Amino acid sequence: GAVVSQHPSRVICKSGTSVKIECRSLDFQATTMFWYRQFPKQSLMLMATSNEGSKATYEQGVEKDKFLINHASLTLSTLTVTSAHPEDSSFYICSARDLGGDFAEAFFGQGTRLTVV
Amino acid sequence: GQNIDQPTEMTATEGAIVQINCTYQTSGFNGLFWYQQHAGEAPTFLSYNVLDGLEEKGRFSSFLSRSKGYSYLLLKELQMKDSASYLCAVKDSNYQLIWGAGTKLIIKP
Repeated sequence: GAVVSQHPSRVICKSGTSVKIECRSLDFQATTMFWYRQFPKQSLMLMATSNEGSKATYEQGVEKDKFLINHASLTLSTLTVTSAHPEDSSFYICSARDLGGDFAEAFFGQGTRLTVV
Repeated sequence: GQNIDQPTEMTATEGAIVQINCTYQTSGFNGLFWYQQHAGEAPTFLSYNVLDGLEEKGRFSSFLSRSKGYSYLLLKELQMKDSASYLCAVKDSNYQLIWGAGTKLIIKP
């Protein structure tokens, strides 16, 4: 299947700093990527849809000024958590759809475990 | 509203068969996915159903009934490595994925 690479896999940062997470589609072009957040023992919560060359679409309740998304190319989307606080600690996962695949299923990056101390 | 229901947790024995059910109520339907997620890892794709019936792929099979808003994932010859969460997701009329909360499957020797 298609490969989506997410980096870093784990990051610990101090409260008030910013953290950037990268999501790359390695063997296909993704005009749209998705950013999810997952709390322990809960399902994926869609935060925003990242569109190449245009502004991201944020889900209700997600602060766009806090979670900055940039999708500058067909293979790269970044999520920057600005002025991080301990409550931002979570598992962040990106996904991209390979529209050229049989099912246009979503392929996921490895996820990023963010801990804000 | 849109809703996907799955059991929270199931337990099964190594070598046995287990069926994980998923019922959905969504605005439109453009396919149903099953994903496997091990603890601390991202989900991986297992199966896709868009027409009624059974799709078999090795030890895993997935069934869909659109009229009943129902799907199940069947796992045969269970192995310890199958211990994971299994997520059901439906693609709605806007082609957005609606996710269930996942079923944690515990395999015992």
